[in-house]
Amino acid sequence: AQSVTQLDSQVPVFEEAPVELRCNYSSSVSVYLFWYVQYPNQGLQLLLKYLSGSTLVKGINGFEAEFNKSQTSFHLRKPSVHISDTAEYFCAVSEGYNNNDMRFGAGTRLTVKP
Amino acid sequence: DVKVTQSSRYLVKRTGEKVFLECVQDMDHENMFWYRQDPGLGLRLIYFSYDVKMKEKGDIPEGYSVSREKKERFSLILESASTNQTSMYLCASCWGGTDTQYFGPGTRLTVL
Repeated sequence: AQSVTQLDSQVPVFEEAPVELRCNYSSSVSVYLFWYVQYPNQGLQLLLKYLSGSTLVKGINGFEAEFNKSQTSFHLRKPSVHISDTAEYFCAVSEGYNNNDMRFGAGTRLTVKP
Repeated sequence: DVKVTQSSRYLVKRTGEKVFLECVQDMDHENMFWYRQDPGLGLRLIYFSYDVKMKEKGDIPEGYSVSREKKERFSLILESASTNQTSMYLCASCWGGTDTQYFGPGTRLTVL
């Protein structure tokens, strides 16, 4: 079965600095990859997803992620963060057989400081 | 916009009580999910429903049951609440395949 590892539980950065949130997955088959964001006291919302095609995926709020099959990674990046990006970010993987096979990572808490 | 609503944001119950968590979606989605979210563990799937009256166990179904009598509504039931069920509970829904899951705001349940 597939699994996800988010390598950093907390990432503090200063406003306008670049950020990378790391995600590695394990699976024996082709996968679909997702990044979700959870703002304080809210549910999760989709940032971006990779299903096929270009390995560089652009999402909302200026985020992008790159699918690297050889390194089984799907790291999330933003060139310049804002205070409003402070949130918890979850990486998820699905093997696509059905909807109940999505697995989430433990989450990375991004804190943007002024 | 897709809207997934959950009946309560915060809930406090006593050990042994029967607890109902309700979730309603307004987009005619086939699939609905219940997850629990715990610090350091991310989201773990409790139950999944792919149609009315149809359900499948997720990774941690013990101590929980579900009901889906109508397409838009998916209920999570704790038959006899225990302190280790204190957690954040998230409901989600989507169409089929690899469609985006849409989440409700969550219910923070405390069992005393």
